[in-house]
Amino acid sequence: GAGVSQSPSNKVTEKGKDVELRCDPISGHTALYWYRQSLGQGLEFLIYFQGNSAPDKSGLPSDRFSAERTGGSVSTLTIQRTQQEDSAVYLCASSLGQTIQPQHFGDGTRLSIL
Amino acid sequence: KQEVTQIPAALSVPEGENLVLNCSFTDSAIYNLQWFRQDPGKGLTSLLLIQSSQREQTSGRLNASLDKSSGRSTLYIAASQPGDSATYLCAVRIDRGSTLGRLYFGRGTQLTVWP
Repeated sequence: GAGVSQSPSNKVTEKGKDVELRCDPISGHTALYWYRQSLGQGLEFLIYFQGNSAPDKSGLPSDRFSAERTGGSVSTLTIQRTQQEDSAVYLCASSLGQTIQPQHFGDGTRLSIL
Repeated sequence: KQEVTQIPAALSVPEGENLVLNCSFTDSAIYNLQWFRQDPGKGLTSLLLIQSSQREQTSGRLNASLDKSSGRSTLYIAASQPGDSATYLCAVRIDRGSTLGRLYFGRGTQLTVWP
């Protein structure tokens, strides 16, 4: 497709389980970003990739969160031992380059931890 | 740390009105500023991007201005329509080293335009 694709669109899981969220950026976009949107916090940056490397992962809230990107394309955000406070919408964005280009967002994955 | 504030938090107007949404940021060393709209249950749609060297950008009925020195941006919506109803988010990118990639977001302005 033409836009950023995220899957699943919704995920409900039990506390303590691991989850994987997937992001497929716009073809040719070298930069990829993960954000989290929750009611109490607004939109928070998590991590960004330039190619397969992550120059800035300072937004990851704990060591239970990790992300990788392979082939300069698809990225996976993994949350281990999920907690209720992890419930949020996880948004992925991509851009042509790091700086002057706009970021384009997917529709997000709504994660609910029971 | 960059703080981004949007005023008002919510706005409800009749169709046809011209609107101004405000965004302010604390760190004026920005690289660019981006305005988005978000519809319920959806991701963010990019509306306008203003580079730090620019004063304004226009797209159709939308006009965004930037005053970097005072830390302010406004989004002007002309002749509002019910289809403009959404949450409008302002985000800035700081011109500093390793944090250059990230966007700092405001909490948004929830706009309702009624017929």
